[in-house]
Amino acid sequence: GQNIDQPTEMTATEGAIVQINCTYQTSGFNGLFWYQQHAGEAPTFLSYNVLDGLEEKGRFSSFLSRSKGYSYLLLKELQMKDSASYLCAVSPRGDYKLSFGAGTTVTVRA
Amino acid sequence: GAGVSQSPSNKVTEKGKDVELRCDPISGHTALYWYRQSLGQGLEFLIYFQGNSAPDKSGLPSDRFSAERTGGSVSTLTIQRTQQEDSAVYLCASRRDSPYEQYFGPGTRLTVT
Repeated sequence: GQNIDQPTEMTATEGAIVQINCTYQTSGFNGLFWYQQHAGEAPTFLSYNVLDGLEEKGRFSSFLSRSKGYSYLLLKELQMKDSASYLCAVSPRGDYKLSFGAGTTVTVRA
Repeated sequence: GAGVSQSPSNKVTEKGKDVELRCDPISGHTALYWYRQSLGQGLEFLIYFQGNSAPDKSGLPSDRFSAERTGGSVSTLTIQRTQQEDSAVYLCASRRDSPYEQYFGPGTRLTVT
């Protein structure tokens, strides 16, 4: 089976930085995804890493280390609208059938 | 353009009844996935369609669950003889051949009483 772990909850202050860690043990690896999900809404794509290193996209960055089975999502200059659940997902194969972690609920406080 | 749509948005049913959930993927997307999200748990893969290939049903939790995709577009997930543990949000996602990003629909919240 697939095992994907991420913290349940994190709280941070508006304007600060938060790092959400994700570790995985899967039967194969064809990429790691981060999705954002606001309460009651559909998940929306944030990032995709398939090679080691850091991918930066505006205020959001995602890092991958395949040898360590580890990724993180870095959210900078936090805004209230960033309060949401952040989902780490791994595609073990090329069919992109995703295995998800339970999600990390981030609460941004003023 | 239009995103992935799902209907109904909410469904309350009695235990033992059958339900059908519908997904309209983005036009031109060849891959379609069904997931479910139970309270406090991550999304769980159910079934995957790719073009005209036989679907990957490896995530379906029991033989009460089935799905079909007609004409390579609309998909229907059917749950027979519903049980209370089937209560969850059922999400559909679609993807072009490339790139890899899956676009999710808003989901159907199923409550079995």
